[in-house]
Amino acid sequence: EDQVTQSPEALRLQEGESSSLNCSYTVSGLRGLFWYRQDPGKGPEFLFTLYSAGEEKEKERLKATLTKKESFLHITAPKPEDSATYLCAVQDNGEWLHTGNQFYFGTGTSLTVIP
Amino acid sequence: NAGVTQTPKFRILKIGQSMTLQCTQDMNHNYMYWYRQDPGMGLKLIYYSVGAGITDKGEVPNGYNVSRSTTEDFPLRLELAAPSQTSVYFCASSYTMNTEAFFGQGTRLTVV
Repeated sequence: EDQVTQSPEALRLQEGESSSLNCSYTVSGLRGLFWYRQDPGKGPEFLFTLYSAGEEKEKERLKATLTKKESFLHITAPKPEDSATYLCAVQDNGEWLHTGNQFYFGTGTSLTVIP
Repeated sequence: NAGVTQTPKFRILKIGQSMTLQCTQDMNHNYMYWYRQDPGMGLKLIYYSVGAGITDKGEVPNGYNVSRSTTEDFPLRLELAAPSQTSVYFCASSYTMNTEAFFGQGTRLTVV
């Protein structure tokens, strides 16, 4: 069965203090890895998709990278408005063919940026 | 641009009652999904649909039913509500099986 593990569970940063969130995964064949942001009381909001090891994507203060076993979400000089829970999800090619299940989600990292 | 719309936002049910969670999307997406999110757990897939008239079970389908009569709508039916169904429910849609999912705002359901 697929495993998606995110760490740390919670992270408190001072405004401007850069850091990274981790998503490690085990799948039989990676179809895609997705990062989402979720604000309290809201649905997840799409950030990035990564498909192959070595791929990187950037958006404002966020940069996502992918290796064969994990993905990192780097946050550079964060601001209070970056406070949210960040979710990682993977698509497993083998599971899709077998069960049609699309996404396996991690439990998320709750980020708090203090002014 | 509405995206994925869920109703209601909040609901309290008594044990044994039934209800339907509504979901509609205006992006003409073929793929639609229902997830539940429990504290400390990742989102779990309940049911999904790859197009009108086609539905299938996800990881945690017991106690739920779905239908997909149109591309836009994908209602989730709870029969004989149980306390274990207390959760936040999210509907989502995607254009293809390889693209990102767009989520609704969620329905917080409490069964007492």
